[in-house]
Amino acid sequence: AQSVAQPEDQVNVAEGNPLTVKCTYSVSGNPYLFWYVQYPNRGLQFLLKYITGDNLVKGSYGFEAEFNKSQTSFHLKKPSALVSDSALYFCAVRDMQGSASKIIFGSGTRLSIRP
Amino acid sequence: GAGVSQTPSNKVTEKGKYVELRCDPISGHTALYWYRQSLGQGPEFLIYFQGTGAADDSGLPNDRFFAVRPEGSVSTLKIQRTERGDSAVYLCASSPGQGHTEAFFGQGTRLTVV
Repeated sequence: AQSVAQPEDQVNVAEGNPLTVKCTYSVSGNPYLFWYVQYPNRGLQFLLKYITGDNLVKGSYGFEAEFNKSQTSFHLKKPSALVSDSALYFCAVRDMQGSASKIIFGSGTRLSIRP
Repeated sequence: GAGVSQTPSNKVTEKGKYVELRCDPISGHTALYWYRQSLGQGPEFLIYFQGTGAADDSGLPNDRFFAVRPEGSVSTLKIQRTERGDSAVYLCASSPGQGHTEAFFGQGTRLTVV
């Protein structure tokens, strides 16, 4: 069975500092990995994905994520945080083993950027 | 439409009543997903359609929950004999197909059972 873990409920960072939001996953086959962001009273917005190829993927709003197969991790990063990055972030995984595969989400990490 | 549309946006119902939640996916998307999200939690998978058929319904919590997608486009999530514990935001998402593509989410339906 596939699963996703986000070990931090909350991450606090000062504006202008780099940020990292952690994610680890477990799948039977090859993973397709995603990050989504949710602002208050808004739907989930897609940020970026890893399918294959370069382990460092770049996405919207200056975010990037690094896929590490040996550590089964897919941490979200940004070199310089903005106050407007404050939101709830979800990591998700699709297990590509088998003919049909659902997307499973982590429990979320609340990112708070202080001015 | 331009995005995934869910109706109603809010639904308040009495315990024991039946409710239907509707999802209009992005035109041409063959995959459709239903999730349930409680406050401050991650989306909990309910069911996944590929075309008209449910490819995976392992997340439906019990037999009070049922979903259909008869023509491979619009989907309806049906909840019988609602309970207060069913209160949550129900999210629908669609994607062009199974595989590596990401899913696009609607704004959700906030269901409150009183």
